[in-house]
Amino acid sequence: SQQGEEDPQALSIQEGENATMNCSYKTSINNLQWYRQNSGRGLVHLILIRSNEREKHSGRLRVTLDTSKKSSSLLITASRAADTASYFCATVNFGNEKLTFGTGTRLTIIP
Amino acid sequence: DAGITQSPRYKITETGRQVTLMCHQTWSHSYMFWYRQDLGHGLRLIYYSAAADITDKGEVPDGYVVSRSKTENFPLTLESATRSQTSVYFCASRDGMGITGELFFGEGSRLTVL
Repeated sequence: SQQGEEDPQALSIQEGENATMNCSYKTSINNLQWYRQNSGRGLVHLILIRSNEREKHSGRLRVTLDTSKKSSSLLITASRAADTASYFCATVNFGNEKLTFGTGTRLTIIP
Repeated sequence: DAGITQSPRYKITETGRQVTLMCHQTWSHSYMFWYRQDLGHGLRLIYYSAAADITDKGEVPDGYVVSRSKTENFPLTLESATRSQTSVYFCASRDGMGITGELFFGEGSRLTVL
């Protein structure tokens, strides 16, 4: 069963706008990761946030984690056409060696 | 070239045939994983391996067999392919140090079972 569920399933925005995607999960986690997948390609790791962290930045990416609500958000600022892709959250539970992925958000940036 | 490679990238087979998807990584990562990706299901873990000769089932292992005789290779075999196994298969790897960190993915193998 899926641990993470992304919301929305699909998102279309104008180039230059900010894009926000959300991820909810069910059980306590060790860390949460975000991945990007371009059409027809493999997944690429974007950022990892540990359970004791609340916010993390990497370039135009900002990730927040609220363990009390079991949710995370990924913000992409000043979007570009190249950001068009599917984005997945993945969780790692304590004592677990595996990542469990959500169903993804499909982001389309309109030039 | 360094990285993780999958072969074949595309495969069409018939129901009942045996198919093997290959995965090779050059980083000497201890962990390797096989996922399948289907619309509406995201990525689901089939099998994983923590080291050579150590494998374990994931979420959807039925109908699949894996082996890991060498650290760098992790083949996935469908012993008798079924139409429900039509999917895109991704191999991934990570090192075994510290907190469970990022996975490195191959480009995928698109399998069609007729």
